[in-house]
Amino acid sequence: AQSVTQPDIHITVSEGASLELRCNYSYGATPYLFWYVQSPGQGLQLLLKYFSGDTLVQGIKGFEAEFKRSQSSFNLRKPSVHWSDAAEYFCAVTYTGYSSASKIIFGSGTRLSIRP
Amino acid sequence: GAVVSQHPSWVICKSGTSVKIECRSLDFQATTMFWYRQFPKQSLMLMATSNEGSKATYEQGVEKDKFLINHASLTLSTLTVTSAHPEDSSFYICSARDPGGSGSYPGELFFGEGSRLTVL
Repeated sequence: AQSVTQPDIHITVSEGASLELRCNYSYGATPYLFWYVQSPGQGLQLLLKYFSGDTLVQGIKGFEAEFKRSQSSFNLRKPSVHWSDAAEYFCAVTYTGYSSASKIIFGSGTRLSIRP
Repeated sequence: GAVVSQHPSWVICKSGTSVKIECRSLDFQATTMFWYRQFPKQSLMLMATSNEGSKATYEQGVEKDKFLINHASLTLSTLTVTSAHPEDSSFYICSARDPGGSGSYPGELFFGEGSRLTVL
């Protein structure tokens, strides 16, 4: 069964510092991978996605992620965080053969706090 | 971009009553919508897949008689929590997949703002 692991429950970084959030997936076939952000009491917003092609994907708000098949990872990075980046971040995976009915499975989330 | 709207955004009800939550895709037609439940400080748990014009597909462990899902049109899915009890209190989030045509990547999933249910 496919699964997504986010090993860090809570991370605190200083404003202006770089950020890396870890995500590992477990699935035999090629996954489709996503990163979402959720502000308190809000729905989810897609930051970026990887379907195929270039393994370094750029997203919104200055985020990027790199797909590494050998490590089964899809870590999210940002070179310089802003206080407004404080939120919950979810990594997610879905099946290959992506169709309208494909379910997305979410990791447990990483809460990001920003130190002034 | 595509927008998915949920209503109400929060609701408080008495134990034993039923509550309906609506999920609408505002500028695209969604043959498939998904309902998630999120407990405080936890991840999203998929409850069911809502299919337009047919029965919903429920995940293991989700009571279909407790959580009634109706997807009567291509832009509306509803989740009804029947005979709600305090343990049903949670944050419910819907999502809808945009099959394309609205400028977004085909198949992208958009999420509603969520509905917070509190059962007294």
